[in-house]
Amino acid sequence: QKEVEQNSGPLSVPEGAIASLNCTYSDRGSQSFFWYRQYSGKSPELIMFIYSNGDKEDGRFTAQLNKASQYVSLLIRDSQPSDSATYLCAVVIGGATNKLIFGTGTLLAVQP
Amino acid sequence: NAGVTQTPKFRILKIGQSMTLQCTQDMNHNYMYWYRQDPGMGLKLIYYSVGAGITDKGEVPNGYNVSRSTTEDFPLRLELAAPSQTSVYFCASSYWRVDSGYTFGSGTRLTVV
Repeated sequence: QKEVEQNSGPLSVPEGAIASLNCTYSDRGSQSFFWYRQYSGKSPELIMFIYSNGDKEDGRFTAQLNKASQYVSLLIRDSQPSDSATYLCAVVIGGATNKLIFGTGTLLAVQP
Repeated sequence: NAGVTQTPKFRILKIGQSMTLQCTQDMNHNYMYWYRQDPGMGLKLIYYSVGAGITDKGEVPNGYNVSRSTTEDFPLRLELAAPSQTSVYFCASSYWRVDSGYTFGSGTRLTVV
């Protein structure tokens, strides 16, 4: 059974701090990974895609991937109250079908 | 450009009733997916489709059926609703490129009583 694990939180950080969200996955053959943000009562929205080991930066967001450790993380710099949401890690499975398996998500609370 | 449209937004069903959740996308995406999300949980894949006429089961297909007669539409059918099907249902679509990610609909909140 392929699994994606995240700490459910809540992760509480003060405004302006760096929030670090972590995700581990069980299938060593996994190649591609996503981070989605989901506000309460809303649908998930895409934040980042990463497939290469190392860091990928997009604005205040940095995704980090370590395939040897089967670990992917998301850093949010200069956290804002508007970043308060659930962050879902997702792993691509199933070859060319782009099927995703999602973690349960980490609830981030940014305190003003 | 509406993206992915789901109807209805809310529905209450009685045990044993049936219904169809509608999903339409106008982005000419070949790939479409149905997920359910239970409170405090991640999304679980119910069914997916890689093109018109092609569907396959995901992680939790029992109690559901799908069809894909056109590129745009991917309805999800619930037969003989059970309380365990109380959930929020999301339809999503994507291009064939893996890095394109999903576009999600706004969801259908279903309660079975």
